Amino acid sequence: EVQLVQSGAEVKKPGESLRISCKGSGYGFTSYWITWVRQMPGRGLEWMGRIDPSDSNTNYSPSFQGHVTISGDKSISTAYLQWRSLKASDSAIYYCARHLAPYDSSGAFDYWGQGTLVTVFS
Amino acid sequence: DIQMTQSPSTLSAFVGDRVTITCRASQSLSTWLAWYQQKPGKAPKLLIYKASSLESGVPSRFSGSGSGTEFTLTISSLQPDDIANYYCQQYNSYPTFGQGTKVEIK
Repeated sequence: EVQLVQSGAEVKKPGESLRISCKGSGYGFTSYWITWVRQMPGRGLEWMGRIDPSDSNTNYSPSFQGHVTISGDKSISTAYLQWRSLKASDSAIYYCARHLAPYDSSGAFDYWGQGTLVTVFS
Repeated sequence: DIQMTQSPSTLSAFVGDRVTITCRASQSLSTWLAWYQQKPGKAPKLLIYKASSLESGVPSRFSGSGSGTEFTLTISSLQPDDIANYYCQQYNSYPTFGQGTKVEIK
């Protein structure tokens, strides 16, 4: 069974750093790109960026470029999303999702993690 | 960025009604469009990809159509379990989502 399991909820202060994770199982982790999506409270879905787990090649939305870093460790089938300096406006649910087709950087997203709630307040 | 505009923002219908949601793109997508369903507190669920391909396990009352800049998601007979937010997503270029349509039961 394909699963993406994300790390647990986080509460942080502005200026702190954070890394959240997304562990894939039940499929060839290096064969499918992983995408990260933000959902702010009561709002819609925003694509942040994606990673090819086979070589850690990444692409970012211009809206998130420079503010977050996507990385991965294929040895443990895990992708990461990290911030060096959080802002209150980073408070949101963050989802990882697997791309539908193998080796395809574009596409729809067929399996999703359960989401990680990040709360940033002073 | 390709802008995606969904309509309506909210839709209220009776159980058994045929329901249609429209998604318009700011430029042609060919058929590189997906639809998702999101229930409160849950992750989105893929319903349709490549504009009209039904994802495995999704009930056949869901269907998608369109190409270019205009697309529709149709629920042929609305069921109580279909209460959710629905999002379109283009993947012709860097992905972008529509703003969502909330489906309610009258």
